[in-house]
Amino acid sequence: GQSLEQPSEVTAVEGAIVQINCTYQTSGFYGLSWYQQHDGGAPTFLSYNALDGLEETGRFSSFLSRSDSYGYLLLQELQMKDSASYFCANNTNAGKSTFGDGTTLTVKP
Amino acid sequence: ETGVTQSPTHLIKTRGQQVTLRCSSQSGHNTVSWYQQALGQGPQFIFQYYREEENGRGNFPPRFSGLQFPNYSSELNVNALELDDSALYLCASSRLAGDQETQYFGPGTRLLVL
Repeated sequence: GQSLEQPSEVTAVEGAIVQINCTYQTSGFYGLSWYQQHDGGAPTFLSYNALDGLEETGRFSSFLSRSDSYGYLLLQELQMKDSASYFCANNTNAGKSTFGDGTTLTVKP
Repeated sequence: ETGVTQSPTHLIKTRGQQVTLRCSSQSGHNTVSWYQQALGQGPQFIFQYYREEENGRGNFPPRFSGLQFPNYSSELNVNALELDDSALYLCASSRLAGDQETQYFGPGTRLLVL
């Protein structure tokens, strides 16, 4: 089957750096995506890794290691507005995405 | 704003009833995926439509069905509603089926089954 594991909660202070890890088990894996979801809102695409390595998009970076079935989302210069749930999702060749249960990030002043 | 719209925004139904949820995809996108998100959980894949054909299905019973129209908008139909069907239903559109590099989610329909 397919499953993704990520921490349920992370807390950090403004200006800090936080890393949210994600491990996955899947077959036919295409790539790993990351989404942000604020309370009551829709998931918003942040980043996608199909190949090993680091992808950087502004304050957010995402990393993938296919050999380790592992990835992470790195958030730098944290701001209060970054408080949200973050989901990793794997894309398979079956044309569907499997999401983890999400990591709730709380940014404190 | 992603350009993906869903209607209605909220809905209350009773057990055993049927419901139809609607989604308009972003311009230029021919693929629509539907997800169910229960409180405190990640979105669970229901199914995907690509050019009006079902293209992948998750672990949902047949009473969950869908359609995609020539303009690539889509419907999700749920028959014989159960209490556990209460959730946020999200649709997401993308350019390519299978290569879901970027999915753009609509705001969702929050369904409550009493």
